[in-house]
Amino acid sequence: AQKVTQAQTEISVVEKEDVTLDCVYETRDTTYYLFWYKQPPSGELVFLIRRNSFDEQNEISGRYSWNFQKSTSSFNFTITASQVVDSAVYFCALSEAYPVYSGGGADGLTFGKGTHLIIQP
Amino acid sequence: GAGVSQSPSNKVTEKGKDVELRCDPISGHTALYWYRQSLGQGLEFLIYFQGNSAPDKSGLPSDRFSAERTGGSVSTLTIQRTQQEDSAVYLCASSLASHADQPQHFGDGTRLSIL
Repeated sequence: AQKVTQAQTEISVVEKEDVTLDCVYETRDTTYYLFWYKQPPSGELVFLIRRNSFDEQNEISGRYSWNFQKSTSSFNFTITASQVVDSAVYFCALSEAYPVYSGGGADGLTFGKGTHLIIQP
Repeated sequence: GAGVSQSPSNKVTEKGKDVELRCDPISGHTALYWYRQSLGQGLEFLIYFQGNSAPDKSGLPSDRFSAERTGGSVSTLTIQRTQQEDSAVYLCASSLASHADQPQHFGDGTRLSIL
């Protein structure tokens, strides 16, 4: 079965520091997709990025960057020059293209436990 | 444009009562998902619909849970004879299609408290 591990339960940094959130995944599928979501105190999960298993190119979006490495089954997320508004719980998630029991298609996302990021002013 | 809408936002009920949670997906999204978020279990996938059909119901925690979707739009998640362990935030999400590569867009959730 697929699994996502976010070992960092909580991270606290001072504003303007860089911070990296770790995500390690397990899957038997050769085609899969990785996602990051942000859950601010308001509660709504906000989609940040999707990566497919065939594209290991790193991606940068403003202060956010993502490092996907299949060799270590990791999909880490870095925030550069953090700001107080970045404070939230961040979830890494996985979906498989061919989950065994559904015979294909989406069976839902498998989420990590989340990392609570606190940016102090 | 409207996002995923869930109602009620909060629901407090007594143990043993039935509750019905509603989800209105983003217009045009054919896939709809239910998740449960609790402190102990994190985010758990419950069930998904492609159109009005739910291919797999094995993610539902018990036979007290059921879900339906009609008209390819609104979905309801029903919990019968509620128990205290059902207390959680129930999240609904929708996506353009039920392919694994489609980002899911979430509602604000329904916070369910069982007394």
